[in-house]
Amino acid sequence: RKEVEQDPGPFNVPEGATVAFNCTYSNSASQSFFWYRQDCRKEPKLLMSVYSSGNEDGRFTAQLNRASQYISLLIRDSKLSDSATYLCVVVASGGSYIPTFGRGTSLIVHP
Amino acid sequence: DTEVTQTPKHLVMGMTNKKSLKCEQHMGHRAMYWYKQKAKKPPELMFVYSYEKLSINESVPSRFSPECPNSSLLNLHLHALQPEDSALYLCASSQDSGRGSTDTQYFGPGTRLTVL
Repeated sequence: RKEVEQDPGPFNVPEGATVAFNCTYSNSASQSFFWYRQDCRKEPKLLMSVYSSGNEDGRFTAQLNRASQYISLLIRDSKLSDSATYLCVVVASGGSYIPTFGRGTSLIVHP
Repeated sequence: DTEVTQTPKHLVMGMTNKKSLKCEQHMGHRAMYWYKQKAKKPPELMFVYSYEKLSINESVPSRFSPECPNSSLLNLHLHALQPEDSALYLCASSQDSGRGSTDTQYFGPGTRLTVL
């Protein structure tokens, strides 16, 4: 089983739709969680950190479910500019800081 | 300023060439990373430097040689590469504040490397 798993998609949604992605992780010692966004041929950019209590930033909401070992990203009122690959990143606690990336979920928002 | 810069943006090299990739950050971050990313794949960690010392080498072939001259700079020296080494090479940095895993990584724009 891969350490961090994501559905690669693509998720093809119309503008204005609400879309949600999940990311599961296998290491129960994981402590920090992030969502990054990566546009084609560009570097990953931090979208948001994921906190235990969940967090919201405008149209984006991230949730953490430790019991089931997954994190989620909800995008409301999708814009064309949201089209990108969304990478889930998980970091285990203790020792060296080694982030583990999911393979990414591709989102395509169409008019 | 959350900027990580990388040079060059693009690099084409032959299998016998020696070249270097450069990365710089001025955020006072003490951890710096090299990643390799192939098309439609996630970034793969290659090396981690913490306080200018190599802390992680993810079994990378010796034709890739990292160097950290100071806390702001990170180089990746390339020699005798293979065509399958063609990829996007990403540099990242993070605080390495001792809280460890709560640190956020910031990525540079990458160097797109083609090995002929």
